[in-house]
Amino acid sequence: QVQLVQSGAEVEKPGSSVKVSCKASGGTFSSYAISWVRQAPGQGLEWMGGIIPVFGTANYAQKFQGRVTITADASTSTAYMELSSLRSEDTAVYYCARSIRFLEWLLGFWGQGTLVTVSS
Amino acid sequence: EIVLTQSPGTLSLFPGERATLSCRASQSVSNNYLAWYQHKPGQAPRLLIYGASSRATGIPDRFSGSGSGTDFTLTISRLESEDFAVYYCQQYGSSPITFGQGTRLEIK
Repeated sequence: QVQLVQSGAEVEKPGSSVKVSCKASGGTFSSYAISWVRQAPGQGLEWMGGIIPVFGTANYAQKFQGRVTITADASTSTAYMELSSLRSEDTAVYYCARSIRFLEWLLGFWGQGTLVTVSS
Repeated sequence: EIVLTQSPGTLSLFPGERATLSCRASQSVSNNYLAWYQHKPGQAPRLLIYGASSRATGIPDRFSGSGSGTDFTLTISRLESEDFAVYYCQQYGSSPITFGQGTRLEIK
């Protein structure tokens, strides 16, 4: 069974950066898309971007272009999401999620979520 | 990008009733790559339906999906207490991936 374990909660100051990790176990890491999705307080789900590790190139939502960097390390089966120039509106729970079908951006397996709080 | 509009925003029903949730896309969803997720507070979302009508592993058969093109429906045939949650549709046929704004299903 595939499991995704994310790094712990973070508190960051406005203008700084945060990097969240997502370690996968079970299944094949490189062949399936990994996405990052966030949920701000009282808001819905928002796809930030993702990566298919075997191809290496990340795909980002326009809203986050230039501020987010998604990478994957196949040697450790870990994906990373780094968000820079943080502002209070970036306070949210950040999830990683892995697809259940090759080359499709389905979100079948989810991490437990990482709360990122941006506050001065 | 494809905008997904879900309706209603909130649905209030009794356990045992049938729930019908709608998701309308601003343009045709490629290959009917439309998924539904259930999200409860404090938990990660759970994939229910993909490809508009295929149930994910372990999902009870009271959940069903239908539709094609721009109009999709999630039906829960007989509501159980654990079904009260927020439901999101998602299209994954075109980049960027997009979600609907969600439908809150609450106990009446």
